[in-house]
Amino acid sequence: DGGITQSPKYLFRKEGQNVTLSCEQNLNHDAMYWYRQDPGQGLRLIYYSQIVNDFQKGDIAEGYSVSREKKESFPLTVTSAQKNPTAFYLCASSTSAGPYEQYFGPGTRLTVT
Amino acid sequence: LAKTTQPISMDSYEGQEVNITCSHNNIATNDYITWYQQFPSQGPRFIIQGYKTKVTNEVASLFIPADRKSSTLSLPRVSLSDTAVYYCLVGDNTGKLIFGQGTTLQVKP
Repeated sequence: DGGITQSPKYLFRKEGQNVTLSCEQNLNHDAMYWYRQDPGQGLRLIYYSQIVNDFQKGDIAEGYSVSREKKESFPLTVTSAQKNPTAFYLCASSTSAGPYEQYFGPGTRLTVT
Repeated sequence: LAKTTQPISMDSYEGQEVNITCSHNNIATNDYITWYQQFPSQGPRFIIQGYKTKVTNEVASLFIPADRKSSTLSLPRVSLSDTAVYYCLVGDNTGKLIFGQGTTLQVKP
């Protein structure tokens, strides 16, 4: 089955710890994205990558870091510098030829206490 | 990037047709209009996309007037399972999409 996987579905961390969220896709898509969603709100773009070894900041990149060493993988690290890390994190991918239809993973709910 | 405005919430009954209108006054020439559906604690799911006039697929229709400053998502004969948040997005070839708050559709029996 082709698709996007995110793991784990639920993640709990103590304040001050860095945590890495996994995102893998087997759709052969060039572009990948990370979004954050807070309760009752729309999605906000954290980082996106249109090609391997290259990525750009989205609207709320502070306190987050990413890497894109392989086409299939786009892990997101939530660092201790992120002031309010508790949220629902969604990864997506799309082809590089516009207009873009983005395919979303199931999401990871991160809780930091 | 063009900003979109859509109603915060809508109510409907099973079997009715639902029309959700989105305004995007600053839409650019290269922008397409895309609608997504999201259920609680799940990732959004693509519904339909269009550039102008009318687009129809197996789940919805999208109506776009000539000036493209608004668009209307039409869901025929909704069921309880259509209760969800619907997002209207406008995007260009950069791939960056801006999600607003969306429209929460509540379908009642």
